[in-house]
Amino acid sequence: EAQVTQNPRYLITVTGKKLTVTCSQNMNHEYMSWYRQDPGLGLRQIYYSMNVEVTDKGDVPEGYKVSRKEKRNFPLILESPSPNQTSLYFCASMLFSGANVLTFGAGSRLTVL
Amino acid sequence: TQLLEQSPQFLSIQEGENLTVYCNSSSVFSSLQWYRQEPGEGPVLLVTVVTGGEVKKLKRLTFQFGDARKDSSLHITAAQPGDTGLYLCAGERAGFNKFYFGSGTKLNVKP
Repeated sequence: EAQVTQNPRYLITVTGKKLTVTCSQNMNHEYMSWYRQDPGLGLRQIYYSMNVEVTDKGDVPEGYKVSRKEKRNFPLILESPSPNQTSLYFCASMLFSGANVLTFGAGSRLTVL
Repeated sequence: TQLLEQSPQFLSIQEGENLTVYCNSSSVFSSLQWYRQEPGEGPVLLVTVVTGGEVKKLKRLTFQFGDARKDSSLHITAAQPGDTGLYLCAGERAGFNKFYFGSGTKLNVKP
């Protein structure tokens, strides 16, 4: 089944404790992206990647890092999480075509105490 | 300020009523998409519109892209409880490699 898989789905952590949210897609998509979803703000892009070893900042990149060493994986790293990073995170991937369509993972709910 | 302004933010209606959700911007988009999101899941694509003035229908849902490709609307006819969910619009800007999302419309259809 074609899908985007995120882990963990739920995580409660404390300020300053480094964490990684993994994202993997099995559709051979070039484009991958991370979003955070907060009430009243919709989905805001954190980072995106056009292909392996090509990453760029989105609208809210502060406090986050990413890497794209393999086409299928695009982990999101929070080096020193803070409470304002408490949010619902989504990974998405896309195949470049005439009509670009994002396929989303099921989301990762992160709480930073 | 978001690039795509979506309204209304909340909508609670009775089964059988009609409704329209709007997505507006001052920017031109190469395409505009509508997604629906259920609790505990990621957004799922409903439709993509790419041509100014384009109208697409998906059963009781009608999607329209503005002539100038700056705005879009989603109209639901005779809403049903199964339509309950969060509806998101997203615009793609050519050359920017990114999608801009509206803040979402939370729809509740009461039986």
